[in-house]
Amino acid sequence: DAGVTQSPTHLIKTRGQHVTLRCSPISGHKSVSWYQQVLGQGPQFIFQYYEKEERGRGNFPDRFSARQFPNYSSELNVNALLLGDSALYLCASSLTSYNEQFFGPGTRLTVL
Amino acid sequence: GIQVEQSPPDLILQEGANSTLRCNFSDSVNNLQWFHQNPWGQLINLFYIPSGTKQNGRLSATTVATERYSLLYISSSQTTDSGVYFCAVGAVAGGTSYGKLTFGQGTILTVHP
Repeated sequence: DAGVTQSPTHLIKTRGQHVTLRCSPISGHKSVSWYQQVLGQGPQFIFQYYEKEERGRGNFPDRFSARQFPNYSSELNVNALLLGDSALYLCASSLTSYNEQFFGPGTRLTVL
Repeated sequence: GIQVEQSPPDLILQEGANSTLRCNFSDSVNNLQWFHQNPWGQLINLFYIPSGTKQNGRLSATTVATERYSLLYISSSQTTDSGVYFCAVGAVAGGTSYGKLTFGQGTILTVHP
């Protein structure tokens, strides 16, 4: 069975640009969560979606937004990129909001 | 919000040695997971263990929810065990519950041949 997939693998943007990251959950999983991991730290929670509805939001500015589609895949959008947005962005899927979470390989974003 | 502390921050072992990693958390949890992050950034699930004891090969984990800690045991360590180990917990936050995971800062394990 395929695991969680994310695209793209790597991305280089410049300050002020916009970026869209994509995630496909494990088949049968209805919840997707997004995390940001900066170098040397543990991942930080950004959003969780379940059945296409936002279930939780972390302490991130409004420049960060997300959505979940009818097929349970998800997009994370970041507007007006800052240098500090450079990080590994991880997507996790789970059966429901509370079950064990399984992570994708991540998208490494570099903002120049 | 809930606080998660992992210890030790760094651990250096010789191949074949045993080790214990600890995770303390500040509130009641309904989810606790241990991960191994490989050099490419992939988080690999080791255990889903909000309470009790589990074993998988050379690895085992115990969570004592009433005392708010979890332990990860690695026996007969191998060089491939090197990497960062994270503990992550999910807690009920106020009156709204959802599956946010709060991660500790990790333990960097280095196993020398």
